[in-house]
Amino acid sequence: NAGVMQNPRHLVRRRGQEARLRCSPMKGHSHVYWYRQLPEEGLKFMVYLQKENIIDESGMPKERFSAEFPKEGPSILRIQQVVRGDSAAYFCASSPIPGLRNTGELFFGEGSRLTVL
Amino acid sequence: GESVGLHLPTLSVQEGDNSIINCAYSNSASDYFIWYKQESGKGPQFIIDIRSNMDKRQGQRVTVLLNKTVKHLSLQIAATQPGDSAVYFCAERRTGGGADGLTFGKGTHLIIQP
Repeated sequence: NAGVMQNPRHLVRRRGQEARLRCSPMKGHSHVYWYRQLPEEGLKFMVYLQKENIIDESGMPKERFSAEFPKEGPSILRIQQVVRGDSAAYFCASSPIPGLRNTGELFFGEGSRLTVL
Repeated sequence: GESVGLHLPTLSVQEGDNSIINCAYSNSASDYFIWYKQESGKGPQFIIDIRSNMDKRQGQRVTVLLNKTVKHLSLQIAATQPGDSAVYFCAERRTGGGADGLTFGKGTHLIIQP
């Protein structure tokens, strides 16, 4: 059973370009979360999605950032017109159930590291 | 080894010694706490969790202690091994929240010396 798969693992963009980060949850998981990690910092929640629905986007910047989790295919985190401050590691996590009601059922991918030049 | 204070960025211990990593949490209403381990270049990995109605929980070589009076959480690792070298994060969840309700600490970098 493959874990949470993220790609690309590393992405370099110039200011003003677009970045697309993809996340395939674990098999059987329908709940996807995106987190951002700045260097030497903890993870910050960005958005929580279920298939075709955004459940909680309270951690997403209001501009330039969007996320989707279509019926078919991976979840996508899209950053338009990237700036240097967007440089970070972006982690996706998936869960089979909402709310973490059971012990530790949140599984992280290995992250996508975005560098904006 | 034992961390001197809270939010200590780096903790260095000898292989075989016990480690204690501390964490202060902010929300007295948090009802669930998790410790994660993050190795270099990888995603966080679940270690152990504890609910607010408990004050201690043990796993394999790890123990989590929760002191709600002072809002303090600690992770004890027994007989540390080279593979324990990583950054350790605590996370608290607000009551009723899901993974979107998790707040992560900044982490402590544990270094195991031979």
